[in-house]
Parts: sequence; C-alpha cells; structure tokens
Amino acid sequence: DTGVSQDPRHKITKRGQNVTFRCDPISEHNRLYWYRQTLGQGPEFLTYFQNEAQLEKSRLLSDRFSAERPKGSFSTLEIQRTEQGDSAMYLCASSLLGQGNGYTFGSGTRLTVV
Amino acid sequence: AQKITQTQPGMFVQEKEAVTLDCTYDTSDQSYGLFWYKQPSSGEMIFLIYQGSYDEQNATEGRYSLNFQKARKSANLVISASQLGDSAMYFCAMRRNTGGFKTIFGAGTRLFVKA
Repeated sequence: DTGVSQDPRHKITKRGQNVTFRCDPISEHNRLYWYRQTLGQGPEFLTYFQNEAQLEKSRLLSDRFSAERPKGSFSTLEIQRTEQGDSAMYLCASSLLGQGNGYTFGSGTRLTVV
Repeated sequence: AQKITQTQPGMFVQEKEAVTLDCTYDTSDQSYGLFWYKQPSSGEMIFLIYQGSYDEQNATEGRYSLNFQKARKSANLVISASQLGDSAMYFCAMRRNTGGFKTIFGAGTRLFVKA
C-alpha cells in the first residue's frame, strides 16, 4: 500500500482560473476527507465522503468549491474562479470506519494564486 | 460548538528528556475521540495516538502517552525520552462519534528538541 497520494504537489494559478486537485486514498479506506491548511494554522475541515456519498461540507466553503468521489475511489476537489485567499495547502486524508481510527494524510497540494 | 485550544505556540526540550504538550477542548458531546498528530517540516501529517472519551485508562503508544483529564477537558500529549526527530508541529484534534465525523484541529505547538 502506497498511502494517500495527491496530485499535483504544487499548483500556481492566476486569479480567476479554475483548478482541480486529485486524491487517491488507501484502497481499503471508505472515508475520505479534504482539509485546507494555511501557514501556522491547523488543518481546517472542508468536506468528507463515506464511499461515494458526500456527507458533510463546511459552511465556510463557498459555492466556488466542489468535491466529488465517483465510485467511492479517488476524489477531486475543484476551485472555480480562484482568489488570492484560496492560497493554501490542500490536504486529503482517508480512514477506515471506527472511532479509534486516525487519518492517513497525503502530502498535500500547495496552491498559490497570483 | 467544538473547539480545540493549544496555548503553547512553541516548546523547547532537551534531547532524552520528557515533554508535555498541552491541549484543552470544548464540547457538549458525551461520546468523542481525541487525537494527536505530528507534522514534520516535510509536511505530511502523521497520526500518533487516540483516546476515547469513555476510555478509563490513558492511551499509550510507544514513547507517546495521552494524559486525559475528562473533568478538566484536557488531553495533553507526553513524549518521553525526546529525540531530535521529534522536532515538528504537533496538533491536538477531536472528533465527535455521533452526528458527523469530521475532525477539528487545534492551531498546533511547534516542538524543538535540542541536542
């Protein structure tokens, strides 16, 4: 098992452009999470999936953000009409069901909006 | 609303000594889990230890132990015999066990281990 993979590792985009990130979780994990982390802060919850169902989405998330997990496998996070405030590290994590199961995180995608 | 507070932005510890990283939390739930994660400078978050709200014994994982004081709503991480490789950011986190399973994180504590 190669862990959680995220692609790309870095993305620089111009303000107003759309970007899409991909996450491949550990294959046995049925829960998948997206978080955003800015410098010096803890990860901030964005959304999570159980299998292919998106069960919760942060109220802080604007309509410019959308996430999918087709067939309960990989997931994509799209940001439309990017703004400078979207610059952050976007982290994906997966886990098994069960109260004591911690997350396995990917290395993240660092987004810079110029 | 749930909240995690880590009041120590940075901590120093001498190699081979023990260190305690503080974490307090706020929740009205009865059933929840507390977690600690390590984030080295390379960036990838690593799960360290878990404590359930109904667990009577403090959790331990190798050199990591969680000092859980439910009445005080604190979940401090104790690292024994610090190593240079322990230098990293440490995040305390909490997840409710009903009505949604997102985990919320504190702002973190940066630990520096001195040789």
